[in-house]
Amino acid sequence: EVQLVESGGGLVQPGRSLRLSCTTSGFSFGDYTMSWVRQAPGKGLEWVGFIRSNAYGGTTEYAASVKGSFTISRDDSTSIAYLQMNSLKTEDTAVYYCTRRSGSYGSVYFDYWGQGTLVTVSS
Amino acid sequence: QSVLTQPPSVSAAPGQKVTISCSGSSSNIGKNFVSWYQQLPGTAPKLLIYENNKRPSGIPDRFSGSKSGTSATLGITGLQTGDEADYYCGAWDTSLSSGLFGGGTKLTVL
Repeated sequence: EVQLVESGGGLVQPGRSLRLSCTTSGFSFGDYTMSWVRQAPGKGLEWVGFIRSNAYGGTTEYAASVKGSFTISRDDSTSIAYLQMNSLKTEDTAVYYCTRRSGSYGSVYFDYWGQGTLVTVSS
Repeated sequence: QSVLTQPPSVSAAPGQKVTISCSGSSSNIGKNFVSWYQQLPGTAPKLLIYENNKRPSGIPDRFSGSKSGTSATLGITGLQTGDEADYYCGAWDTSLSSGLFGGGTKLTVL
């Protein structure tokens, strides 16, 4: 059974940093691109970014809203993906979901999702 | 304002059919595949449709997807009260090099 479990959320002050973890099991983690999606309270889904598998260079893509502030990384030895969030702003307050990205060129979809972890940025 | 445009809400009676539209542009829906997600209240989103019209294992055939040009449509037949949820379309935007979601559509089963 595929499982993704996020951790590391909580209350943080504006300008501070936070690192989220996504612990996975039930699939060959190293073969997949891992992605983060967030949802502000009462709002819709927003793609944050993803990290490709090492077979595709382990390269990353980010939404314009977080580029330069957020960094996604992965540890294939432990099957964990990370989201490092720096210089946090109040508008980064959201539930952050870890997702497994599937599909090939031109096909981007998220077939498994974690339960989400809430990040609240407030003084 | 989302790049992918969905109606904020739709409604229909139990047993009826409903469609949800998703309008994009030549750089996203016009060029790439569309996926659809269901988010029941208080839960994480779930993949309903991928690559325009394919259903993951376990998704009933009451759910269907289609795409034409720069628009896509999710269809749900035989509506049930358990289908009340928010529905999101998604696609990759080649020009932006970014994943996109529609603003979401709230389905009410009257």
